[in-house]
Amino acid sequence: KNEVEQSPQNLTAQEGEFITINCSYSVGISALHWLQQHPGGGIVSLFMLSSGKKKHGRLIATINIQEKHSSLHITASHPRDSAVYICAVRSETSGSRLTFGEGTQLTVNP
Amino acid sequence: NAGVTQTPKFRVLKTGQSMTLLCAQDMNHEYMYWYRQDPGMGLRLIHYSVGEGTTAKGEVPDGYNVSRLKKQNFLLGLESAAPSQTSVYFCASSFLGTGAETQYFGPGTRLLVL
Repeated sequence: KNEVEQSPQNLTAQEGEFITINCSYSVGISALHWLQQHPGGGIVSLFMLSSGKKKHGRLIATINIQEKHSSLHITASHPRDSAVYICAVRSETSGSRLTFGEGTQLTVNP
Repeated sequence: NAGVTQTPKFRVLKTGQSMTLLCAQDMNHEYMYWYRQDPGMGLRLIHYSVGEGTTAKGEVPDGYNVSRLKKQNFLLGLESAAPSQTSVYFCASSFLGTGAETQYFGPGTRLLVL
């Protein structure tokens, strides 16, 4: 079992829909990251969380440390949100290393 | 600022050939990382560097070597390429390397080993 599991692997939505991507992890962590990989391949950091909730525009990330679970929500989805969303964790014992999930491929149709 | 750049963007090698991938960052970051991304798997750390002149092994270091002679550059070498090294390679950098800060990624290098 991977230390970081994402669900679903693939998600197709219609423009305007509310989207949730989930990330579960099996180790104690000190930080969790959400990243976005564009269709062209570039990777950008969206959020870094250690507790609670963060919001940036239409994106909301939450984390529940006790349940070892995080969610990324996209409100009023748009075709330009189509990308791979990647969850990564920094475990309590890994120093600067991150462990990455496999990613969730999101396609938003107009 | 260019951020993190990678050279080349795409390369085809024959088995046994060697090559060097170059990563450069202009953000004065101490930490630099080399990852590989394969279908159905998350990004995996190959090697990383905590500062000029220092390198360390990551999760999948076999078959690769690295060097960090200048703070802004991190080189990844394949001495004798194998088909299993066909992958997309990403370089990243961060200021402190705490794992609780943003990592900035390069655009990736697509490598095909025949």
